[in-house]
Amino acid sequence: DQQVKQNSPSLSVQEGRISILNCDYTNSMFDYFLWYKKYPAEGPTFLISISSIKDKNEDGRFTVFLNKSAKHLSLHIVPSQPGDSAVYFCAASRTGANSKLTFGKGITLSVRP
Amino acid sequence: NAGVTQTPKFQVLKTGQSMTLQCAQDMNHNSMYWYRQDPGMGLRLIYYSASEGTTDKGEVPNGYNVSRLNKREFSLRLESAAPSQTSVYFCASSPGRTDTQYFGPGTRLTVL
Repeated sequence: DQQVKQNSPSLSVQEGRISILNCDYTNSMFDYFLWYKKYPAEGPTFLISISSIKDKNEDGRFTVFLNKSAKHLSLHIVPSQPGDSAVYFCAASRTGANSKLTFGKGITLSVRP
Repeated sequence: NAGVTQTPKFQVLKTGQSMTLQCAQDMNHNSMYWYRQDPGMGLRLIYYSASEGTTDKGEVPNGYNVSRLNKREFSLRLESAAPSQTSVYFCASSPGRTDTQYFGPGTRLTVL
């Protein structure tokens, strides 16, 4: 039973355009959501997070939106750059769960020059 | 400040051999984790240690053991390696109060 779903395995966008990466979750107890970015042969690096008390969090070119009623979150990258090409993992956790994260399977983003 | 370090970076084992993957963090984090990443499967939690002296099973613990040696170090042991354990292994740590985890560079393990 996959509790965090990233249904699109890949996404290709033109440099300068917007990248929208989607993530759905099934566990209504999740109250904290994170996005990680991973380059080949490296460990995942934390990108941005959002608490369930918010519906938007912004950090430079990266914005995460949370729709609790739909159990859906999305990561927007504007403008997209070739260096953004990587695998993006969505993750979720719930308060009191010893900070355990549940990860999605990841989306491979390719930004074309 | 090196963050999370893992050794070795690469390892090839024969079926039935044993080995220990080492992980250390210098961020004074309370919690540490071991994940494996397989193609199309994302990151799956093997074991975690919420604090020094405690360890708990994650999603895929079978065939593995762990030791939280001290606050800095968390090792993962394969007692009798199997081809199904061919994977990339990541160690991570977190302060314990927040949910942001910080990952090491990974160990690529092949079991023949």
